[in-house]
Amino acid sequence: QQQVKQSPQSLIVQKGGISIINCAYENTAFDYFPWYQQFPGKGPALLIAIRPDVSEKKEGRFTISFNKSAKQFSLHIMDSQPGDSATYFCAASMGYGGSQGNLIFGKGTKLSVKP
Amino acid sequence: NAGVTQTPKFQVLKTGQSMTLQCAQDMNHEYMSWYRQDPGMGLRLIHYSVGAGITDQGEVPNGYNVSRSTTEDFPLRLLSAAPSQTSVYFCASSFARGYEQYFGPGTRLTVT
Repeated sequence: QQQVKQSPQSLIVQKGGISIINCAYENTAFDYFPWYQQFPGKGPALLIAIRPDVSEKKEGRFTISFNKSAKQFSLHIMDSQPGDSATYFCAASMGYGGSQGNLIFGKGTKLSVKP
Repeated sequence: NAGVTQTPKFQVLKTGQSMTLQCAQDMNHEYMSWYRQDPGMGLRLIHYSVGAGITDQGEVPNGYNVSRSTTEDFPLRLLSAAPSQTSVYFCASSFARGYEQYFGPGTRLTVT
């Protein structure tokens, strides 16, 4: 029940295309859903995050879509660029701002954007 | 601000050796954590701390030890290195448990 399942494991997209990465969770107590971006040789860095009181959050070319009833959330990268090539991790936690729950990470998606 | 720093960046150990991975943060964060990253396995939590003097186990704690004597530092000790501990290790810190985590640059450890 603590797992976050991420798919696909790897993704190849043409420049200008839309990249979509999906995550699913079981624990309905999760209330914070961040996405992290990791470039080779670097540590992960927060890209965008959402809470379940909204169904969508957009920051530039990056959008999180959240479906509470299906217990799924996804990252959409519009107009994908070669510089977006990285590994993306979804994560979830409960008790955001409180004392419960560590972040639980998905296994990651390696995105390659071809020029 | 340096953020989260980790040393060393690379390390090679022989089986049975011990060592300490260093982690420090200058953001006055209460929460600190250690993860290991292996291909296809994502980020797995080893140990975490919610404040100085308080530590707890994560998902994969066996073979690792931690202590937190100050807010700034959170070292990870490998007691007797094994080849299965070959991995990339990340330290992270956060204002509080469950908040956005700031990751260090990682330590690539090889155990032969």
